[in-house]
Amino acid sequence: DGGITQSPKYLFRKEGQNVTLSCEQNLNHDAMYWYRQDPGQGLRLIYYSQIVNDFQKGDIAEGYSVSREKKESFPLTVTSAQKNPTAFYLCAASTGTESSEQYFGPGTRLTVT
Amino acid sequence: GQNIDQPTEMTATEGAIVQINCTYQTSGFNGLFWYQQHAGEAPTFLSYNVLDGLEEKGRFSSFLSRSKGYSYLLLKELQMKDSASYLCAVIDSNYQLIWGAGTKLIIKP
Repeated sequence: DGGITQSPKYLFRKEGQNVTLSCEQNLNHDAMYWYRQDPGQGLRLIYYSQIVNDFQKGDIAEGYSVSREKKESFPLTVTSAQKNPTAFYLCAASTGTESSEQYFGPGTRLTVT
Repeated sequence: GQNIDQPTEMTATEGAIVQINCTYQTSGFNGLFWYQQHAGEAPTFLSYNVLDGLEEKGRFSSFLSRSKGYSYLLLKELQMKDSASYLCAVIDSNYQLIWGAGTKLIIKP
């Protein structure tokens, strides 16, 4: 089955700790994205990558970091610098053309206390 | 600034028809998507419009008017499983996807 996997589904961390969220895709898509979703708000773009070894900041990149060493993997690190990290994080992939739909993973709900 | 407006919540009856509106003010326009998202799950693609007019796909249809900055998603023969949030997203002139906050649709028996 082609798709996007994110693990774990739920993640709990103490304040001050860095945490890495995984995202793997076997769709062979060039572009990958990380979004954050908060109640009552639209998806907000954190980072995106259109090719391996290249990525761009989105609207809310502060306090986050990513890497794209392989086409199929795009992990997101939530650092201790992120002021309000508790949220639902969604990873997506697309072929990268402007009209292409984005395919989403199941999401990771991160709670930081 | 860029802005996409959708109603926060709508309620409809099983078997009925509902129209969810989306208005947008963006820097340029290169297409509009509708996605469905069940609570706690990933959004899934419903439709894509880039030209004016109506696109029909089974029980779901999507309409676009570029001159009015307006789209709607029409759901017919509503089923309980249609209870979800419906997200409108616009591709701007930089080919960035701008997302609305979504409309939570509640279906009652």
